[in-house]
Amino acid sequence: DQQVKQNSPSLSVQEGRISILNCDYTNSMFDYFLWYKKYPAEGPTFLISISSIKDKNEDGRFTVFLNKSAKHLSLHIVPSQPGDSAVYFCAADNTDKLIFGTGTRLQVFP
Amino acid sequence: NAGVMQNPRHLVRRRGQEARLRCSPMKGHSHVYWYRQLPEEGLKFMVYLQKENIIDESGMPKERFSAEFPKEGPSILRIQQVVRGDSAAYFCASSSRQGLQYEQYFGPGTRLTVT
Repeated sequence: DQQVKQNSPSLSVQEGRISILNCDYTNSMFDYFLWYKKYPAEGPTFLISISSIKDKNEDGRFTVFLNKSAKHLSLHIVPSQPGDSAVYFCAADNTDKLIFGTGTRLQVFP
Repeated sequence: NAGVMQNPRHLVRRRGQEARLRCSPMKGHSHVYWYRQLPEEGLKFMVYLQKENIIDESGMPKERFSAEFPKEGPSILRIQQVVRGDSAAYFCASSSRQGLQYEQYFGPGTRLTVT
C-alpha cells in the first residue's frame, strides 16, 4: 500500500530551465510534507518542507506547492543546475515517522 | 558542526552472523529513527527511539531485528542471523522535535551486504 507516490522515476532537464517533480499521496490526514535530495552512497539531505496550512513555500531556487484537494505536491527548481542532478524523495510526516515515495532521478544536462 | 554519524559505512556479513549498526545523532537531538532502503525502492521506516525508550517499532521485522538507544552512547540497530534479504542500506535520522513539525536529518547510511 503505497501512501506516497512519485510516478516519474526519472526526469531530464536542460541547465537553466525549470525542473518540476511531482508527488501524490493518499492519506488526507498527512499534514506536513518534506522533500529530500539524495546523491549515490550518501544519506538524504533535507531540502524544503510545507505544512498543510500553506499552499506554497519558497526557499531560494526551490519552491514546493501543495494542492490538498488533489492530494498532490510538486517541487519546482529554477533555474536548474548540473549540481541538482540527484534522486529526489517526497515524504509525508505520519506522526512519528516519514513515509517516503520511491524517488525521481533528476538529470540536469548542459 | 557534526551531523548524524553512522558506522560502519560498509558491513559485510555471512549468512547467520550478527550485524550491529551504530548511529550518533546530531548534537542536541534526542530522537532517533532508523530507515531501510532496498535497491530501487524508497526508504522504509523501521523504528523510532528516544533515550532508553522505543517509541514506535511498527516497521521492524518481528524476528531477528532489535534497536536500542541507551542513556550513554550511540543508538544500535542489531540484526541477528542475517539472511541475504537483509542486504540493504540502513539510514539513521535524528531530530530535535522542537514544535509540532520538524525535519529529520539523515546520516550517510550503512550498506550491509550479506554473502
